[in-house]
Amino acid sequence: AQSVTQPDIHITVSEGASLELRCNYSYGATPYLFWYVQSPGQGLQLLLKYFSGDTLVQGIKGFEAEFKRSQSSFNLRKPSVHWSDAAEYFCAVGDLAGSWGKLQFGAGTQVVVTP
Amino acid sequence: DGGITQSPKYLFRKEGQNVTLSCEQNLNHDAMYWYRQDPGQGLRLIYYSQIVNDFQKGDIAEGYSVSREKKESFPLTVTSAQKNPTAFYLCASSMGLLAGASYNEQFFGPGTRLTVL
Repeated sequence: AQSVTQPDIHITVSEGASLELRCNYSYGATPYLFWYVQSPGQGLQLLLKYFSGDTLVQGIKGFEAEFKRSQSSFNLRKPSVHWSDAAEYFCAVGDLAGSWGKLQFGAGTQVVVTP
Repeated sequence: DGGITQSPKYLFRKEGQNVTLSCEQNLNHDAMYWYRQDPGQGLRLIYYSQIVNDFQKGDIAEGYSVSREKKESFPLTVTSAQKNPTAFYLCASSMGLLAGASYNEQFFGPGTRLTVL
């Protein structure tokens, strides 16, 4: 069964500094990978997704993620964090083979941005 | 604007009562999903539906029920059998496999916070 691990429960970063959120997945075939962001009390918004092709994926709000098959990772990065980036971030993996296209979510990483 | 609406935003329930959470989408998506979110546990799938009049149990279906009588609607009932229903509930939709989608990007509603008094 597929699974997703986000090793960091909580990250604090200064405004203007770079941010990297880690995501590791366990899946036998080529996964479909997603990063979502959630502001407090809100639904989830898709930041970016990877299906195939270029392993460096650009998303909204200046985020990017890199798929590394050898490390089973799909880490999210942003070069310069803004105060509005404070939120919870979820990595998810999906497949289409026999599981009705369900997504498996990681436990999330809470990002706090300090002045 | 196309999107997913959930109502109500906040819901309070007394122990022993059933409550129904509404989820409506106008994205013409075939597939719809219900998730439960608890602090530190990410999202857990309750039920999902790939087509009208059909739905499947997810990972934590006990104490919940759903119906899918219309393509755009997927209400979730939290029954009195659910031992700990206080949580944030999220509804999502996607094009679905039956639409020939090559992936399963899910779109989320704003959520309903359910509190048992």
